[in-house]
Amino acid sequence: QLLLTQSPSASASLGASVRLTCTLSSGHSSYAIAWHQQQPEKGPRYLMKVNSDGSYSRGFGIPDRLSGSGSGTERHLTISSLQSEDEADYYCQTWDTDIRVFGGGTKVTVL
Amino acid sequence: EMQLVESGGGLVQPGRSLRLSCAASGFTFDNYAMHWVRRRPGRGLEWVSSISWNSGRIDYADSVKGRFTISRDNAKDSLFLQMNSLRAEDTAFYYCAKDPAADISYFEHWGQGTPVTVSS
Repeated sequence: QLLLTQSPSASASLGASVRLTCTLSSGHSSYAIAWHQQQPEKGPRYLMKVNSDGSYSRGFGIPDRLSGSGSGTERHLTISSLQSEDEADYYCQTWDTDIRVFGGGTKVTVL
Repeated sequence: EMQLVESGGGLVQPGRSLRLSCAASGFTFDNYAMHWVRRRPGRGLEWVSSISWNSGRIDYADSVKGRFTISRDNAKDSLFLQMNSLRAEDTAFYYCAKDPAADISYFEHWGQGTPVTVSS
């Protein structure tokens, strides 16, 4: 079964970096994922796609202090130079023939 | 500028129906698959349904299969979600999202959402 696992929360200081991890279920290491951000009281925003080889492509207007990486069943989103507006929920998402799947989300707190 | 604007949400009694709409602009609508995603109170994002560019492929989450129907009108750049037999657990913000491709994959652009409350 295609599943995505995320830690429920993460925190880091203003100006620091944080790396979020999304883990694909066993047997799905070839799958790409997408990262999305949802700030409080706003619609979600697409951030980037991370491929199975660790390459990534940002969405339109996404700053380069956000980067992606990954290997095996792990896909990462790294946010550098943390800003107050980065405080949000972050979701990874993947897809198969007849299903789209979200991870449970990680709430990022900027200290 | 790409825009997706949802409408049609509101308060509805259990067992009744509601039809959501999503008006698209700023891109060639009939070149892309489209999706509905929801966020229930206190929960994370949940995929609801997807439709390919020509409606040739349609998928539903198990939680809404048989009750919800996705459709699109490419001539009017619009996406729809017909929701029947609504339940309290369908209470959520509903978002329309655009795929980066004609066939179904992921969500590249989102609307701001429309709230649906199912309550007596």
